[in-house]
Amino acid sequence: SAVISQKPSRDICQRGTSLTIQCQVDSQVTMMFWYRQQPGQSLTLIATANQGSEATYESGFVIDKFPISRPNLTFSTLTVSNMSPEDSSIYLCSARGLKNEKLFFGSGTQLSVL
Amino acid sequence: GNSVTQMEGPVTLSEEAFLTINCTYTATGYPSLFWYVQYPGEGLQLLLKATKADDKGSNKGFEATYRKETTSFHLEKGSVQVSDSAVYFCALSDNAGKSTFGDGTTLTVKP
Repeated sequence: SAVISQKPSRDICQRGTSLTIQCQVDSQVTMMFWYRQQPGQSLTLIATANQGSEATYESGFVIDKFPISRPNLTFSTLTVSNMSPEDSSIYLCSARGLKNEKLFFGSGTQLSVL
Repeated sequence: GNSVTQMEGPVTLSEEAFLTINCTYTATGYPSLFWYVQYPGEGLQLLLKATKADDKGSNKGFEATYRKETTSFHLEKGSVQVSDSAVYFCALSDNAGKSTFGDGTTLTVKP
């Protein structure tokens, strides 16, 4: 199994600023993903973090707003740029193990934008 | 594209009641199917999974059977406990490794 450490666990930010969320996995994984979970709603996939290349974004999400890095197999960052109150949400990092379809999840980052 | 539709909540049951949370899916190919659970204040964790038709996933008294003919993966438990109170997500994973989640169903079990 894999353990995912995500930080910060929560933050309160001002409108127009940016926040970078870090995700560290304790073992090698094949794929890493970033999800958003808005209050009372399901998980929505933002993008797949690709090692050493640009992330693959889902419809409705763009790189300028959510730049993602994945410099190696076990680490990724998501930046929420030029934040507005509509970005208030939980952001979750997840990863898929080398031999397993199962998804492991970080504990999430609770973001509130004032 | 892929989609997962699960029973709307919230669901409120008395302890020892029977639980069913319906889940149906739309996907091309042969996806794997999952149920995830999110306990209050915690992150998501895998509850059970099934990777091919007619497989039954089971864990902690919960069961779900992969029904290809009805494209369903309903979650059941014969006797729920207060500690089962949580949000339950049905999900699928396609051949590209991408996962799609249902909207989640909140279960509250009262003593």
